[in-house]
Amino acid sequence: AQSVTQLDSQVPVFEEAPVELRCNYSSSVSVYLFWYVQYPNQGLQLLLKYLSGSTLVESINGFEAEFNKSQTSFHLRKPSVHISDTAEYFCAVSAFSGTYKYIFGTGTRLKVLA
Amino acid sequence: NAGVTQTPKFQVLKTGQSMTLQCAQDMNHNSMYWYRQDPGMGLRLIYYSASEGTTDKGEVPNGYNVSRLNKREFSLRLESAAPSQTSVYFCASSPTTVGAGYTFGSGTRLTVV
Repeated sequence: AQSVTQLDSQVPVFEEAPVELRCNYSSSVSVYLFWYVQYPNQGLQLLLKYLSGSTLVESINGFEAEFNKSQTSFHLRKPSVHISDTAEYFCAVSAFSGTYKYIFGTGTRLKVLA
Repeated sequence: NAGVTQTPKFQVLKTGQSMTLQCAQDMNHNSMYWYRQDPGMGLRLIYYSASEGTTDKGEVPNGYNVSRLNKREFSLRLESAAPSQTSVYFCASSPTTVGAGYTFGSGTRLTVV
């Protein structure tokens, strides 16, 4: 079975400052890792994913995440945040079991302050 | 392109009432899912359908039933609503390919009084 832990429920940060949202997972099999973003009153949107290959993956809006197998982590980072990045971020793991079910973390609410 | 459409967007039920949440996708995806989202608990899988004609229980199936009506539609039914089922419900779909992301609907906010 897989599990995901997001260590921070809320992260306040000032605009243009860097941010890291932490995600750790556990699994006995190979997994695929994802970050989703949820803006207020909306559904979740895929932000980025790690399937294989390069351990550093990037999104189109400046976020990046690094897969660290030894530390079983997939932390999300952005060097300079904007007000518009205020949202809830969910880390998820997926492994095949008839279909690719996701196990989601409990989410981290990122609040960017002016 | 509509993606995943959920109806209704909001609903208030009295304890013991029944209702069906509707979900339809137009992306020809094989797999569909129902999640509930509660504060501090993230998203929890209620039921899923790996392909047309199959459904399976997820993490929190008690009090719910599902129907995969055809490839496009996957409905969630509450037979006798309870206050503990107050939540935001999300439907999602995905192709059955490795690493394919989910496409989520915009959610149904359900309150049971």
